[in-house]
Amino acid sequence: GAGVSQSPRYKVAKRGQDVALRCDPISGHVSLFWYQQALGQGPEFLTYFQNEAQLDKSGLPSDRFFAERPEGSVSTLKIQRTQQEDSAVYLCASSYTGSPDTQYFGPGTRLTVL
Amino acid sequence: AQKVTQAQTEISVVEKEDVTLDCVYETRDTTYYLFWYKQPPSGELVFLIRRNSFDEQNEISGRYSWNFQKSTSSFNFTITASQVVDSAVYFCALSGNTGNQFYFGTGTSLTVIP
Repeated sequence: GAGVSQSPRYKVAKRGQDVALRCDPISGHVSLFWYQQALGQGPEFLTYFQNEAQLDKSGLPSDRFFAERPEGSVSTLKIQRTQQEDSAVYLCASSYTGSPDTQYFGPGTRLTVL
Repeated sequence: AQKVTQAQTEISVVEKEDVTLDCVYETRDTTYYLFWYKQPPSGELVFLIRRNSFDEQNEISGRYSWNFQKSTSSFNFTITASQVVDSAVYFCALSGNTGNQFYFGTGTSLTVIP
């Protein structure tokens, strides 16, 4: 079956612009996670949804970051007024239930802020 | 606190050599789960294995094997007879029983030289 998909794969933004990153989880997966991966580092947790409920947003670095999953399927990660330090790969993962179930990852969106 | 340490930043081996990737973890949870993921140049994290803290049996899957030792808090990964296609960054991750996120190490970049 289809895996996790993310779009766009690459995004270049000027500092101060808003961006929206999309994630389509595996069909039927209840849980959805967003991670941020800086160059040469491991992924770091941003936020977690169970269906449409955002149960944990402790990893969001600032109030410029906002995530939603209104119908319990597709999710959007929005970054307002982008800064250079936001440049990273943003990974989406889904799992059939919640943690500690295996998370399956998408290819990521590479965001570059100029 | 949950933490994963992958002390080896980069490893290079010649094709057909065996290679072991180290992973040391820290957790106060009595129940926890350990994972290995492969990240090829395409960027997508590919799931390799999941182990829970109750099962210390070593596992073998083809050329891959994993050695889980609770006494040393380690979950090492060995590739036997390495191939060029094994070249990638490998991440070890930890999930506690109650948390929602995975904690990743910083990854080990493996290069297999033909």
